Amino acid sequence: EAGVTQSPRYAVLQEGQAVSFWCDPISGHDTLYWYQQPRDQGPQLLVYFRDEAVIDNSQLPSDRFSAVRPKGTNSTLKIQSAKQGDTATYLCASSFDGRDTQYFGPGTRLLVL
Amino acid sequence: GDSVIQMQGQVTLSENDFLFINCTYSTTGYPTLFWYVQYSGEGPQLLLQVTTANNKGSSRGFEATYDKGTTSFHLQKTSVQEIDSAVYYCAMRDRGYNQGKLIFGQGTKLSIKP
Repeated sequence: EAGVTQSPRYAVLQEGQAVSFWCDPISGHDTLYWYQQPRDQGPQLLVYFRDEAVIDNSQLPSDRFSAVRPKGTNSTLKIQSAKQGDTATYLCASSFDGRDTQYFGPGTRLLVL
Repeated sequence: GDSVIQMQGQVTLSENDFLFINCTYSTTGYPTLFWYVQYSGEGPQLLLQVTTANNKGSSRGFEATYDKGTTSFHLQKTSVQEIDSAVYYCAMRDRGYNQGKLIFGQGTKLSIKP
């Protein structure tokens, strides 16, 4: 069974540029999560979905970040105008439901210059 | 608010040494507690899960115990090997309404000298 896949694996931007990250969860998993992991820190939840509905986006900086999961399968996380402080690894995870084990993808490493 | 604290940022051991990593948590609910392991260039993967019902879990030679009295949980392994070199995170999931949310500690980087 394929795991969670993410693309791209790496991104380098200048401040002010936009970037999108894409996630394909494990087939059959209805819950999808986006985490931000700054260097040498633990993952921090940004947003999560059950099917296409946002369940919690309280930690998502809504002025520059957006996330969608229009058909309840793949998801896109977008940063509209990146800042140096956004430099981090962005992890996607999925689970069979909100109470089940979360399986993580390899992440996208973002460097904002 | 809910939080998870790992005080040990880095641990360096020799092969066959005993490993003990401690984590404390703060919440008003009855959490399920986890240990995740993250190898270089990969996402975290679940190592162990402990609930308030069973107080213990074990996997791949690792054992986790949970102490409600001190709101702490520990990860231990009797004899570490070089392949155990990784970053270990404790995490907590609330059993209340927001059951999908995981809160991670800062991580403990384990380095094993051959």
